[in-house]
Amino acid sequence: QVQLQESGPGLVKPSETLSLTCSVSGGSISNYFWSWIRQSPGQGLEWIGYIYDIDSTNYSPSLKTRVTISVDMSKNQFSLKLRSVTAADTAVYYCARGYCSGGNCYAGLGEFWGQGTLVTVSS
Amino acid sequence: IVLTQSPATLSLSPGERATLSCRASQSVSNYLAWYQQKPGQAPRLLIYDASNRATGIPARFSGSGSGTDFTLTISSLEPEDFAVYYCQQRSHWLTFGGGTKVEIK
Repeated sequence: QVQLQESGPGLVKPSETLSLTCSVSGGSISNYFWSWIRQSPGQGLEWIGYIYDIDSTNYSPSLKTRVTISVDMSKNQFSLKLRSVTAADTAVYYCARGYCSGGNCYAGLGEFWGQGTLVTVSS
Repeated sequence: IVLTQSPATLSLSPGERATLSCRASQSVSNYLAWYQQKPGQAPRLLIYDASNRATGIPARFSGSGSGTDFTLTISSLEPEDFAVYYCQQRSHWLTFGGGTKVEIK
């Protein structure tokens, strides 16, 4: 069974960069879509972006100027960087693997999820 | 694309049928999914492409609709089905609805 675990600082100062890592166990990181999604009381669920292979990425139009998602195949991990954060970026951040069925894999569907990590933006 | 879910809260008893609605601000074809979320847990994919159950999802969950109007039906509520349900579209980027809470009456 695939398992995902988010890690990173729980507190980030305004204007700094939020950095999170998702460690994947129980399966290879190759040949799947890997996503970051966040959830806050004010904004609800918001899909941040996803990556496939090393360099095929797609980001939310509202966040794309501030977001980078990357993958480290050797460590079976992928990462999120969100620059110039404000209090509005305070949320629970989830990593997820795209759903695959019948030989088809879907970027915009989350099958396996991490437990989520709360990141608070505050000075 | 804005997804509007109704009702905001549905109060039902175990064994009853639940019908949840999701309306899109413009057509999303059939690219509509449903998730279940319990307190303190990540969302769980139930239905994708409007009517396809995800792997391991019980048959009491079914989805229907196309274009702008979609429905998630739980044929007979089990105790573990009381949760918040979200719809999500993948036609124009990826956005979620605001959720419907199914609570015990």
